[in-house]
Amino acid sequence: GQQLNQSPQSMFIQEGEDVSMNCTSSSIFNTWLWYKQDPGEGPVLLIALYKAGELTSNGRLTAQFGITRKDSFLNISASIPSDVGIYFCAGQLNAGGTSYGKLTFGQGTILTVHP
Amino acid sequence: GAVVSQHPSRVICKSGTSVKIECRSLDFQATTMFWYRQFPKQSLMLMATSNEGSKATYEQGVEKDKFLINHASLTLSTLTVTSAHPEDSSFYICSANRVSQYFGPGTRLTVL
Repeated sequence: GQQLNQSPQSMFIQEGEDVSMNCTSSSIFNTWLWYKQDPGEGPVLLIALYKAGELTSNGRLTAQFGITRKDSFLNISASIPSDVGIYFCAGQLNAGGTSYGKLTFGQGTILTVHP
Repeated sequence: GAVVSQHPSRVICKSGTSVKIECRSLDFQATTMFWYRQFPKQSLMLMATSNEGSKATYEQGVEKDKFLINHASLTLSTLTVTSAHPEDSSFYICSANRVSQYFGPGTRLTVL
């Protein structure tokens, strides 16, 4: 099936550093979602973006919905050891703010934070 | 956020047996649920869309007779892996929509 192009594939950073990852697509989406997955667990929703150009923050996390609807980025500021995990972007086609469509996932970004 | 549960969290079975995995939305009703499969170090791949009161919609390449989906109520969808084989061993995750899509904790299936 279709996948989004997510980069980088992995990151090794020092605690306190900022992190940036992004996703691009050849087709547009109406919703962009960012998830974090810890080993052996299901993905946990971090941020949901519903409008092109939207910039949303959740604590140390900031994400933006690209104006072309074909891309999104996620920034993590002042990283801490518990930020370790796999981060996935996901695009969704839906109408308005309700989400009944399927998700298309990026390949994931593996984040390692050294204390 | 919304809570989605799965049961069991892990299951080990012999080749040829069938395994049922339950997905429940605990604090909301979900007319649509999704079933994903994830192999180690890979992304989630959608298997099927589970629709309450109607047949599931399967993704291309997913055998509907092998992966039986039942969405009998607004809070419960089940995935049954029939005649499981070692290649069916994987991490199965369900999700449900409540404005955004929320995922269950996953079920680790190991077929011996």
